[in-house]
Amino acid sequence: EVQVVESGGGLVQPGGSLRLSCAASGFTFSSHWMRWVRQAPGKGLVWVSRINPDGSATGYADAVKGRFTISRDNAKNMVYLQMNSLRVEDTAVYYCTRTVAGGGDYWGQGTLVTVSS
Amino acid sequence: QSALTQPPSASGSPGQSVTISCTGTSSDVGAYNYVSWYQQHPGKAPKLMISEVSKRPSGVPDRFSASKSGNTASLTVSGLQAEDEADYYCSSYAGNNIMIFGGGTKLTVL
Repeated sequence: EVQVVESGGGLVQPGGSLRLSCAASGFTFSSHWMRWVRQAPGKGLVWVSRINPDGSATGYADAVKGRFTISRDNAKNMVYLQMNSLRVEDTAVYYCTRTVAGGGDYWGQGTLVTVSS
Repeated sequence: QSALTQPPSASGSPGQSVTISCTGTSSDVGAYNYVSWYQQHPGKAPKLMISEVSKRPSGVPDRFSASKSGNTASLTVSGLQAEDEADYYCSSYAGNNIMIFGGGTKLTVL
């Protein structure tokens, strides 16, 4: 069974840092693009970042470029999102998804990041 | 990186058909056949309904269909059922390792 499970969310002050983790299982992890998508409370989905199977190519939304870094460890079937210089507007549920043909076909339950003083 | 444009709301009666549009540009929707559609019920994670413009993943009812013409993609839900009431989002590849979502459409089954 394919599963992705996010962790690492929590409350952080503006300007702080947080690292989100995504544990994947049930599929050949090293063959798939992975992505992070976020959803602010009561708002729509926003794509954050994606990474190719071997970790050599990444992409970021303008809103997070230069502050967030996506990475992966194929030996551990893990994807990470390092978030620095966090802002109040980064408050959201962050979802990790497996990507197939441009679509996110398996999503985790999400992890809530709250940026507040 | 502007969001794709979706109508905020759509509605239909049980058994009817409803179509939701998703308008982008020649740099995203119009340039690539990587348009996806997602369904999200309140408090739940999104579910992939359509990928690559018109392909239904296994398990998605054939009442859901989609297409693209120029810079606009469309999702049609036929034979509306109560459980189809949800938020729907489109997404497209926009080149240079960038993806974008639409603002979402709230589908109400009357």
